[in-house]
Amino acid sequence: QQQVKQSPQSLIVQKGGISIINCAYENTAFDYFPWYQQFPGKGPALLIAIRPDVSEKKEGRFTISFNKSAKQFSLHIMDSQPGDSATYFCAASIDYGQNFVFGPGTRLSVLP
Amino acid sequence: ETGVTQSPTHLIKTRGQQVTLRCSSQSGHNTVSWYQQALGQGPQFIFQYYREEENGRGNFPPRFSGLQFPNYSSELNVNALELDDSALYLCASSFYIRGQGEQYFGPGTRLTVT
Repeated sequence: QQQVKQSPQSLIVQKGGISIINCAYENTAFDYFPWYQQFPGKGPALLIAIRPDVSEKKEGRFTISFNKSAKQFSLHIMDSQPGDSATYFCAASIDYGQNFVFGPGTRLSVLP
Repeated sequence: ETGVTQSPTHLIKTRGQQVTLRCSSQSGHNTVSWYQQALGQGPQFIFQYYREEENGRGNFPPRFSGLQFPNYSSELNVNALELDDSALYLCASSFYIRGQGEQYFGPGTRLTVT
């Protein structure tokens, strides 16, 4: 019940395209859902996060869509750029910002 | 950059040995969490320290232990190293107040156990 599932495992998108990564969870006690971006040799960096009281949050080219009833949330990267090529992790926590449960990650490659 | 630093960057140890990893929190942060990230996987929560006391622990055995110092820097100690302990160890610091506090990750320490 603590698991966060993530798909796809890898994703290849053309420059300018839309990248979509999906996550699902079981534990309804989760109350904070961040997305992290990780480049090789670096630690994860917070990209965008959402609380379950809203269905969508947008920051620049990044949008989180949240479906509380389906217990699913997704990351949309608009106008994907080669610099977006990285591994993306969704995560969830019960106590906002603490003790995250991470998904297994999605390796995104944006072709020039 | 997040302001969270970790040392050393890389480390090679032999099975059965002990290792200490260090983390310096971002200025003003009072909480540090440690995560283990195996190759190709997401980080797994090991434990968290808040005001020098353990404030939550994941599914890791007691041979994983930690310390947080008054200046909010932290150590992760692993005894009796096993081959499966080979991973990237990440620390994350936050300013935790009334159940809120975004975590900022350091670059990690890559531990290899042979």
